[in-house]
Amino acid sequence: LAKTTQPISMDSYEGQEVNITCSHNNIATNDYITWYQQFPSQGPRFIIQGYKTKVTNEVASLFIPADRKSSTLSLPRVSLSDTAVYYCLVVGKSGSARQLTFGSGTQLTVLP
Amino acid sequence: KAGVTQTPRYLIKTRGQQVTLSCSPISGHRSVSWYQQTPGQGLQFLFEYFSETQRNKGNFPGRFSGRQFSNSRSEMNVSTLELGDSALYLCASSLVFPDLSKESGNTIYFGEGSWLTVV
Repeated sequence: LAKTTQPISMDSYEGQEVNITCSHNNIATNDYITWYQQFPSQGPRFIIQGYKTKVTNEVASLFIPADRKSSTLSLPRVSLSDTAVYYCLVVGKSGSARQLTFGSGTQLTVLP
Repeated sequence: KAGVTQTPRYLIKTRGQQVTLSCSPISGHRSVSWYQQTPGQGLQFLFEYFSETQRNKGNFPGRFSGRQFSNSRSEMNVSTLELGDSALYLCASSLVFPDLSKESGNTIYFGEGSWLTVV
């Protein structure tokens, strides 16, 4: 079962690019990685998902190296409204059941 | 397209009572899963349902139970509430049950959660 580790917190300034890395050393061959954003009193919101290499959508990029033991969420030009907790999730399968391993979350604070 | 809908959003219960939380998945999604989120323990998996059958269960006592209906809607129940059950309960849905060859169909989408306070 993959174990995930994320930094507890990060600070950044408006307009900067932010990279949050999640370590998942025991990731299995078919597991994939998903990132979520969560604001206080709300449910996690899907940001991006990937299996290998690089994935990009309108809000973020996800970089996954060849060994897949980590993944990096990249947020371009953050704004104050990006202040939130970011979670990585490794999704796998054990038999017929889905196996989910959540990171403990990274509190990103964007400063003016 | 509506997202995952959870009701009620907030509720207060007394120790010893029971509570039922409801979840309507995204239209067309057939897999529903439940999670408990607390400041100290983070996100913890409760159980997952697909085609009205519980497919996986987390490490929670038997006081926590759930079910899924034929329209994919789901409910979870907590009996004999304890103070420690105070948490945000999250429901999530995905299009399919894990078939990792269909990556996009496995994306898990969360609802806004139900805040339960036990006093």
